[in-house]
Amino acid sequence: QVQLVQSGAEVKKPGASVKVSCKTSGYTFTDYYMHWVRQAPGQGLEWMGIINPSGGTATYAQKFQGRVTMTRQTSTSTVYMELSSLRSEDTAVYYCARSMVVVATPFDFWGQGTLVTVSS
Amino acid sequence: QSALTQPRSVSGSPGQSVTFSCTGASSDVGGYNSVSWYQQHPGKAPRLMIYDVNKRPSGVPDRFSGSKSGNTASLIISGLQAEDEADYYCCSYAGTYTWVFGGGTKLTVL
Repeated sequence: QVQLVQSGAEVKKPGASVKVSCKTSGYTFTDYYMHWVRQAPGQGLEWMGIINPSGGTATYAQKFQGRVTMTRQTSTSTVYMELSSLRSEDTAVYYCARSMVVVATPFDFWGQGTLVTVSS
Repeated sequence: QSALTQPRSVSGSPGQSVTFSCTGASSDVGGYNSVSWYQQHPGKAPRLMIYDVNKRPSGVPDRFSGSKSGNTASLIISGLQAEDEADYYCCSYAGTYTWVFGGGTKLTVL
């Protein structure tokens, strides 16, 4: 069965970086894009970006450009999201979610979420 | 990329129908038939309920349906049930491999 298993909760200080992983199984890794979506406490969902696991190319939401990097490791079917220069407003649950490698397809399966807390 | 506009809350009694609206622009909702809706219960990951405006994934009850007119998409839940109480988010493709979510609507089943 399809599984997207994310790494555990993180606590970081302002200005630091965080790297969250999303290990996939149960499907062909390169048949699905991977997205990252975050949700601040009590707030809505916010799309951060997408990576094509096949070639590794990524597209980021304008808001996060320059601060976010999405990468993948095909040997372990894992994708990563690194966010730098953290500030308190980055405190959120970060989700990975897949969509088929066809333009504009929906997010049909989600990881369990990773809580990142930014606090001094 | 501005967030899509959703009402903050909607309520209904069991058995009734409720409609959620999601308003965007010609660059997202109006420009693509790639609107999806997600249900999220507290502390849980979102679940895909509707995609491509009006298609239901396997396992989603046919009480859930979707539509679109111009720059506004809608989710309709008929025969409301207690377990439908959750937050609902719309999402649209916005071109050049970017997506945008709505702010979410909280559904209360009275």
